[in-house]
Amino acid sequence: GENVEQHPSTLSVQEGDSAVIKCTYSDSASNYFPWYKQELGKGPQLIIDIRSNVGEKKDQRIAVTLNKTAKHFSLHITETQPEDSAVYFCAAQEANNLFFGTGTRLTVIP
Amino acid sequence: EPEVTQTPSHQVTQMGQEVILRCVPISNHLYFYWYRQILGQKVEFLVSFYNNEISEKSEIFDDQFSVERPDGSNFTLKIRSTKLEDSAMYFCASSLYRAHNEKLFFGSGTQLSVL
Repeated sequence: GENVEQHPSTLSVQEGDSAVIKCTYSDSASNYFPWYKQELGKGPQLIIDIRSNVGEKKDQRIAVTLNKTAKHFSLHITETQPEDSAVYFCAAQEANNLFFGTGTRLTVIP
Repeated sequence: EPEVTQTPSHQVTQMGQEVILRCVPISNHLYFYWYRQILGQKVEFLVSFYNNEISEKSEIFDDQFSVERPDGSNFTLKIRSTKLEDSAMYFCASSLYRAHNEKLFFGSGTQLSVL
């Protein structure tokens, strides 16, 4: 099955700086890559996703890039704010199931 | 915004006991899922459910596990005889369509501790 690796496991940035989280996947047939944000005491919430027919997608301060050849995709958060502090998960879809990375704990320092 | 609700938020049980984790998916959704996350590890797929039957299941979902939609609103995960290694956060999720290219809505999870 699909194997998703995610780095780093923890990330601390100063408020206003950018944060980048990277993921790789193993199955070239995967074609849907969502990113989830999990705040304390809550379930994962979808924040952005990208399909394999595009290389980049942006939504305000959040962007995701996809390199299908290299089988990696990244989440970029610009102008970080304290409320961005959370655990972020990448995922890749193979067939009808999502395979998740291990998560990145992002801390934005005011 | 509609949400998936899960109860209880925490469940402590003795090894060998049966537990039932409950979920209320979003009302118009048709596909239901259980995932779990052992502390420090990946969120793992357990099972998907559609039209009152299991669509797919992972290797984790062995004979000790079962799912049921007993009425029009609830979706349950039963673990028949819990083991220590079943301790994890269990997430329920639902979607209007199949997961393929479709947004999953997750509940806030049930933390299961097996002693």
